Amino acid sequence: GAVVSQHPSRVICKSGTSVKIECRSLDFQATTMFWYRQFPKQSLMLMATSNEGSKATYEQGVEKDKFLINHASLTLSTLTVTSAHPEDSSFYICSATWLGGTNQETQYFGPGTRLLVL
Amino acid sequence: KQEVTQIPAALSVPEGENLVLNCSFTDSAIYNLQWFRQDPGKGLTSLLLIQSSQREQTSGRLNASLDKSSGRSTLYIAASQPGDSATYLCAVSGTYKYIFGTGTRLKVLA
Repeated sequence: GAVVSQHPSRVICKSGTSVKIECRSLDFQATTMFWYRQFPKQSLMLMATSNEGSKATYEQGVEKDKFLINHASLTLSTLTVTSAHPEDSSFYICSATWLGGTNQETQYFGPGTRLLVL
Repeated sequence: KQEVTQIPAALSVPEGENLVLNCSFTDSAIYNLQWFRQDPGKGLTSLLLIQSSQREQTSGRLNASLDKSSGRSTLYIAASQPGDSATYLCAVSGTYKYIFGTGTRLKVLA
């Protein structure tokens, strides 16, 4: 149980285009989903926290107008990188917390999406 | 502000050795601590989760300990194998956020 999927797993796009990444909780309802970014040989950095039906909370230094997050249901959150540039190339990982679980502090992680902007 | 540090940053050992990876955190007010494995270009694989009220967890050749008061956790890997080669990340949970450590890149030589 507690499986999180991401789609696509890998995407290559031209500079200036927008890219949407989906994060789904497959077998549980997630009140909260998190988006992380990982640059090569670095650790994961939290970008934003997304609660179902409300606006995402962004970490300091993350542009909310560039990284649009939508959490329309208890099983789906999307991250849209708008007007992507080469410096946005990174590994994006989502995670979700389990509504009703005994420990709502535990996050379940997706497999990640590698974005390459040319 | 919570800061998580892992030592060493990289480690290379011969097959069969027992080894210890270290994780330290600055704020002891955590809900849990989790150890992950990440293979190159891949996502995270959860290894062990230690609740704040626990002192250790074991799974197979892995044992993780937690000392909240001193802000430390260790991951012990027994009888290391080449397949253990990966980056190991620790993460602490507090106020619904995970803060990740800097990672330890492990290479086990055959």
